[in-house]
Amino acid sequence: DIQMTQSPSSLSASVGDRVTITCRASQSISSYLNWYQQKPGKAPNLLIYAASSLQSGVPSRFSGSGSGTDFTLTISSLQPEDFATYYCQQSYSTLFTFGPGTKVDIK
Amino acid sequence: QVQLVESGGGVVQPGRSLRLSCAASGFTFSSFGMHWVRQAPGKGLEWVAVIWYDGSKKYYVDSVKGRFTVSRDNSKNTLYLQMNSLRAEDTAVYYCARGGSNSNNDYWGQGTLVIVSS
Repeated sequence: DIQMTQSPSSLSASVGDRVTITCRASQSISSYLNWYQQKPGKAPNLLIYAASSLQSGVPSRFSGSGSGTDFTLTISSLQPEDFATYYCQQSYSTLFTFGPGTKVDIK
Repeated sequence: QVQLVESGGGVVQPGRSLRLSCAASGFTFSSFGMHWVRQAPGKGLEWVAVIWYDGSKKYYVDSVKGRFTVSRDNSKNTLYLQMNSLRAEDTAVYYCARGGSNSNNDYWGQGTLVIVSS
């Protein structure tokens, strides 16, 4: 199975900050990497698919990059509604797997 | 608009069974693969199972293989997860999610809580 790791596991940031979250796969997954945002008590919401494609309706301050084993989610200017937990997910394998998550909270 | 509504969760004793349902609307259900994803209380997301659009293929995470069965009824636009031999570690919110055309989970239900406890 393909294992996913994320760093950091949590971070504190202020409104307006640039935030970067890293995701690493245990083997090459090409660009089969998705990013989700989850707020407490809610279902996850797809932000980025295929490593760098912005899902419809998602603000342009969110961007993704990377290929192979190393990927990055960037929030260019953190907004109050962005405080949440972010998960990466590989979809290279038929058995999808998620990273452990990165919690972004208010500094 | 796409809607996914899970049901069937509840409290069940270890070793017993439960069947979850996910009613789909707002899209051509029979054209999309469907997934189950779970989240234990205070923990991260765990992908559980996938079923092909026509039900021809099914895949499971190792921890549920042999105990859980995913199925679908395309005439009823409904996805199912039959969970047998339940364990305490199966306690979680279970989400159904659509398999998007770009190899992702583009729509999710609101989740249904399963608690396995004596």
